Amino acid sequence: NAGVTQTPKFQVLKTGQSMTLQCAQDMNHEYMSWYRQDPGMGLRLIHYSVGAGITDQGEVPNGYNVSRSTTEDFPLRLLSAAPSQTSVYFCASTTSGTGTYEQYFGPGTRLTVT
Amino acid sequence: GENVEQHPSTLSVQEGDSAVIKCTYSDSASNYFPWYKQELGKRPQLIIDIRSNVGEKKDQRIAVTLNKTAKHFSLHITETQPEDSAVYFCAASMKAAGNKLTFGGGTRVLVKP
Repeated sequence: NAGVTQTPKFQVLKTGQSMTLQCAQDMNHEYMSWYRQDPGMGLRLIHYSVGAGITDQGEVPNGYNVSRSTTEDFPLRLLSAAPSQTSVYFCASTTSGTGTYEQYFGPGTRLTVT
Repeated sequence: GENVEQHPSTLSVQEGDSAVIKCTYSDSASNYFPWYKQELGKRPQLIIDIRSNVGEKKDQRIAVTLNKTAKHFSLHITETQPEDSAVYFCAASMKAAGNKLTFGGGTRVLVKP
């Protein structure tokens, strides 16, 4: 199993550009989430999904869109990049089953907006 | 929504001493409390977790305690080693609500040889 994969690893955008951060998992997990981590801070939830076709907002959703058309993929779209969105983005997944609570994190995407 | 406070923000200990990090949470419905270690440029790594039906859990030099009544939980690292130097995050979540995590602000631990 590859676990949770994210692409790209690094990205530089100009203000106003749009892009999609990719996240995929091969563990058949129902729950998937996107977090951002600003320097020296904890992770904050952007959007999450409890299954294909179901998404909801987290703590800091403004400026981001998500969709969940398959169990495996959960892309994060930046609509019009702003310098305030410079951050490291982590995708995570976990099962809805009661036996396991652990979240599995991807390696992250480091985004710089100039 | 859930709010998690973490203290201290930095912690410097001598090698071999113990380190304690404390977190409080606000939502009594939270039932899962993981602790993560994060090294520079890496993803958070789960080091120990505890569910709300357990008061204490230990794994070698690491232990976590949970007080549901007071809504706080703590990480204890004994016999610290230089490789324990990292940033540690506590988090809280409710499994039934998608298990989405609310993180504390982090503690930078420095173990001095």
